[in-house]
This record gives sequence, C-alpha cells and structure tokens, in this order.
Amino acid sequence: AQSVTQPDIHITVSEGASLELRCNYSYGATPYLFWYVQSPGQGLQLLLKYFSGDTLVQGIKGFEAEFKRSQSSFNLRKPSVHWSDAAEYFCAVAARGNNNDMRFGAGTRLTVKP
Amino acid sequence: DAGITQSPRHKVTETGTPVTLRCHQTENHRYMYWYRQDPGHGLRLIHYSYGVKDTDKGEVSDGYSVSRSKTEDFLLTLESATSSQTSVYFCAMSRGEGTYEQYFGPGTRLTVT
Repeated sequence: AQSVTQPDIHITVSEGASLELRCNYSYGATPYLFWYVQSPGQGLQLLLKYFSGDTLVQGIKGFEAEFKRSQSSFNLRKPSVHWSDAAEYFCAVAARGNNNDMRFGAGTRLTVKP
Repeated sequence: DAGITQSPRHKVTETGTPVTLRCHQTENHRYMYWYRQDPGHGLRLIHYSYGVKDTDKGEVSDGYSVSRSKTEDFLLTLESATSSQTSVYFCAMSRGEGTYEQYFGPGTRLTVT
C-alpha cells in the first residue's frame, strides 16, 4: 500500500518569509497527491492536488506544490507566509483506480511568528 | 466543509456505552468515509461506503461498525466504547467517478472516560 512521510512535525517561520513543507511518498506507480490544511478545531480543507501533467500545481491561498518523481516528493511552498497560514498541513496519497485508499501523513504544524 | 456536517460535534461518554456518530451530506456524493485523527498518526480510515448499503473496512475498523441506508447519511457506531477510542472523528465524501479528492466535515471530538 502507498504511504506518506512528512519529516517535519513542527515548523516556525516569520510572517513574510517563504515556506516549504516536505512530503515524501511511497507508491509503485504515479500516484494522486494532495495537500490539505486544517485550522484549529476545523476539518481538513483541500489546498491543491496533482493527478498528471504539469508537475508544478497551483492551489488556493497562494500555495503551490511540485511533484518530483525522481525524489518521490511533493513539497508544498508559499513565497510569503501570512499569520493566517498558521495551521496543520497534511500531505496525502491515493492509489490510482482506488477511491477507498487515501493515506495521510502525520502532519506538519506551522507556527507563524509576527 | 460546505455540504457535509457531523453530529454531535462533541461528546463525552463512559466506557462500555454505545455511541453513534452521524455524518450528513447534501452533495449526492457516492463515497463516504470515516476517519479518526490522533496525534502523530494523521488520519486513519475506519470504514468507507461506496453506495447505499455498500460498506467496507478500513485500516482501523476493529470496534466500529457503520451503516448507510440513504445516500446522504453515514453512521459510525461504537458498540461498546473504550478509552482507546477517544479521538477526533472526521467524515469525508468523494464524488468518485474518476475523482479522488475528499471533502471533510468539521469533526466530532469524542472522549471516553
């Protein structure tokens, strides 16, 4: 089965600084990849997804992610972080042809310093 | 998220009592899921449904059962709650049909004392 690793449990960045959250996946073929964000006390909101094609995908709230097959990675980036971006971020991978097996990473909690 | 709700949002119950959590969606999505979220584990799939009366087990299904008698409702039951089932439970939905993204409800925080 596919799996996801988010190496950073907690990251702190200053407001206005750039952000990169790491995600590595394990899957035998090209996967479907997702980033979700969870604000405190809320459900998960889809930020962006990669299915195929252009390996740089744009999402909501100014986020982007790049799929790198050679590194089995799907890192999330934002050029300038806002205080409202403080949240927990989850990377997820789904197997093609299977709607019932999405695997989530353990999450990275982002703190934004003023 | 819009179109999917969960009830109750918070519940405290005693060990050994039955508990039912409800998920309701208004999007007519085919697939529905129940996850639990625990620190350090992300989200883990408990059960899912791929249609009315069609359900199957996920990664952590022991101690849980589900039912889906209508497209819009997906119930999760803990037959006899244990302290290890203290968690935050999320329901999600997906259209299927070649799409894979899931949309999540706001969650239910369950405490078993």
